[in-house]
Amino acid sequence: TQLLEQSPQFLSIQEGENLTVYCNSSSVFSSLQWYRQEPGEGPVLLVTVVTGGEVKKLKRLTFQFGDARKDSSLHITAAQPGDTGLYLCAGSNTGNQFYFGTGTSLTVIP
Amino acid sequence: EPEVTQTPSHQVTQMGQEVILRCVPISNHLYFYWYRQILGQKVEFLVSFYNNEISEKSEIFDDQFSVERPDGSNFTLKIRSTKLEDSAMYFCASSGTVWAENHGKAFFGQGTRLTVV
Repeated sequence: TQLLEQSPQFLSIQEGENLTVYCNSSSVFSSLQWYRQEPGEGPVLLVTVVTGGEVKKLKRLTFQFGDARKDSSLHITAAQPGDTGLYLCAGSNTGNQFYFGTGTSLTVIP
Repeated sequence: EPEVTQTPSHQVTQMGQEVILRCVPISNHLYFYWYRQILGQKVEFLVSFYNNEISEKSEIFDDQFSVERPDGSNFTLKIRSTKLEDSAMYFCASSGTVWAENHGKAFFGQGTRLTVV
């Protein structure tokens, strides 16, 4: 099993603050995805990164894939209450199997 | 927007009983997956399915698990003899393309919460 560690595990911030979530592994992945999951629902794909060093932006969310393709970060600018949720990274080296990270539970306080 | 639907949303079953979890993937998708998430733990891969056969499975997916696509629309996960530790949220997902190779989007259903008592 390829382990993906996310940090922090829990994060509670005020509306308007910036934050960064990290996803780290000792394994190299050919691609990495970030998902957001709300309670009682399935994960929703936010982005896929495939090239070492790649940076993708989705409105206030910035995703970066590490140069060595072992780690990734998610940065949220000016967080809003609607950003509250569980953020999951998932990496894969095979065609069909993704390994999910441990998750970061984000709470944005109005 | 098309979506993956799962039924039932919650199932309670007695230990040792068989359960079938049902999923209707997005209609033109070709790849289907089952994942599970034990309460408070991470999402774990169970199995992937393509062209009417299993293409990959994890060590969790032992002989008590099976998957089937009985018709053109449904994709089912059967657990033959449930154990207490099978209690979890089970998610079905589908993709139009091979996930990692073509970086295609995978869509998850809302999940079925299975409680084994």
